[in-house]
Amino acid sequence: EVQLVESGGGLVQPGGSLRLSCAASRFTVSTNYMSWVRQAPGKGLEWVSIIYTSGSTFYADSVKGRFSISRDSSTNTLYLQMNSLRAEDTAVYYCAKAKGGGSYHFDHWGLGTLVTVSS
Amino acid sequence: QLVLTQSPSASASLGASVKLTCTLSSGHSSYAIAWHQQQPEKGPRYLMKINSDGSHTKGDGIPDRFSGSSSGAERYLTISSLQSEDEADYYCQTWGTGIQVFGGGTKLTVL
Repeated sequence: EVQLVESGGGLVQPGGSLRLSCAASRFTVSTNYMSWVRQAPGKGLEWVSIIYTSGSTFYADSVKGRFSISRDSSTNTLYLQMNSLRAEDTAVYYCAKAKGGGSYHFDHWGLGTLVTVSS
Repeated sequence: QLVLTQSPSASASLGASVKLTCTLSSGHSSYAIAWHQQQPEKGPRYLMKINSDGSHTKGDGIPDRFSGSSSGAERYLTISSLQSEDEADYYCQTWGTGIQVFGGGTKLTVL
C-alpha cells in the first residue's frame, strides 16, 4: 500500500525557515508528479507546489520566491523548503502523489505536519 | 482563470442520498475533476475522478455508495445510503499545466 509520511513541522518565528520532508513507500517519488497542499486552521485546501517527473517545479503565487520543492531519489523523499515564513503560512501541510498517466489528480495523501508561524 | 465553485454546506438524513456539485469556470467545461473527502481531524482521502463524459474512476476501497456524474460544466458526487461517517468536508480538484485548483469545499452534515 502506498504510504506518505510528512515530518519537519513545528513552531517558527516570522521570517524564519523550515524544511518539510515527505517519506514515500511502495512507489517511486521521481517517477510521479508530487505536490504539497496546505490547510490553514478552519479553512479549505490550498495547493502550494508541484514537481513534475521532468524536474519542472511550479508554485502558488502566495509562496512563489519563498518556498522551494525538491526530491531525493536515493531516499525516495519529497521536500519543501520554506523561507521568509509569515503568519499566514500557518497550516497543516500535506504531501500528495498525483495519479499520472495524463491525469494529475491526487490519488494518495499523507497525514500532514503542522507548521505554526508565530512570535 | 481556472476556478471550481462548491456550495459551502449540504445536509441529508441518515440512510438518504445526497448530490454534491462542483462547477468549473467558464471555458473549462471539458476538464476532469477529482473528489476528496476529509473527515473531522483527518487528512484528505481520494474518492474518485470524474471525466466530462461522466465516466469515473474510484480510489481503492471506496464503497459503491459513492458515485459520480457530469453535466456540462458541473461535476457531481452522489452518496447514497448515508452513514454517520459520511459527515465530512468534500473538496473537488482540477488541474492544468503547472497548476492545481481546489474548490472551497462542501461541509456535509448527516442528520
